[in-house]
Amino acid sequence: QVTLRESGPALVKPTQTLTLTCTFSGFSLSTSGMCVSWIRQPPGRALEWLARIDWDDDKYYSTSLKTRLSISKDTSKNQVVLTMTNMDPVDTATYYCARGIVVAGPYMDVWGKGTTVTVSS
Amino acid sequence: IQMTQSPSSLSASVGDRVTITCRASQNINSHLNWYQQMPGKAPKLLIYAASNLQSGVPSRFSGTGSGTDFTLTISSLQPEDFGNFYCQQSYSTLWTFGQGTKVEIK
Repeated sequence: QVTLRESGPALVKPTQTLTLTCTFSGFSLSTSGMCVSWIRQPPGRALEWLARIDWDDDKYYSTSLKTRLSISKDTSKNQVVLTMTNMDPVDTATYYCARGIVVAGPYMDVWGKGTTVTVSS
Repeated sequence: IQMTQSPSSLSASVGDRVTITCRASQNINSHLNWYQQMPGKAPKLLIYAASNLQSGVPSRFSGTGSGTDFTLTISSLQPEDFGNFYCQQSYSTLWTFGQGTKVEIK
C-alpha cells in the first residue's frame, strides 16, 4: 500500500524559510519512472503545482516560484524535502505531496492528506 | 501551459449526466488528468491520460479528448459525487491545473 505523509511547521513568520518533509512508503523513489511532487492550495482556491523530483534526481519547479523553491530526496529514508524561502502571508495554504508515475501519463496517483501552513507574524 | 475549465460551478440532480470541459492553451496530446477533491480532503485521481479510468474509480466517470479540448463526464450523478473537479496537464515538465469546477447536488 502506497502512503505519503507531509510534515512541517504549522506557522511560519514572514521572510522565514519553510521546510516541508514528505515521508512515503510502499514504493521507492529509486525505481525508474517514479517521482514525487509538491502541490499547494490556498484556502478556498485552486490547486497549484509547485515542484517535482524524479527517480533520476531530475528536478522541476513552477515558473512563478522557481527562485524560492528547492526540492531534494533521501532515497534511503524514503523522504522528499521541499524548501521555500522568503515566506509571505500569500503562501498560507495546505501543502500536499503526491506520488507521480512518469512513464505513463504522467499523473499523480496517490496523495498525502496535506499539511496546513500559515504565514503570519 | 494554461488550463481553463468550464463551468466554474454547476448544480445537478442525482441521476443527471454532468459534463465538465477543460481547454489547454496549446496542444497537450493526451497528457490530461482529472481529479476529484471533496471538502477538506486531498485530491483523488479519477482519469489519467485523458481517457483511462484509475483503478477503483466507478465506471460512471469517463474522459475524452486530445489536443486542446477535453471532457470529463459523469454519466449518472450520485450523491457522493459532490466536490471540486480539477484537470491537470502533464505534457510540459511544468505541470499545471485548471481553476476547478465545483459540483453541487440539488
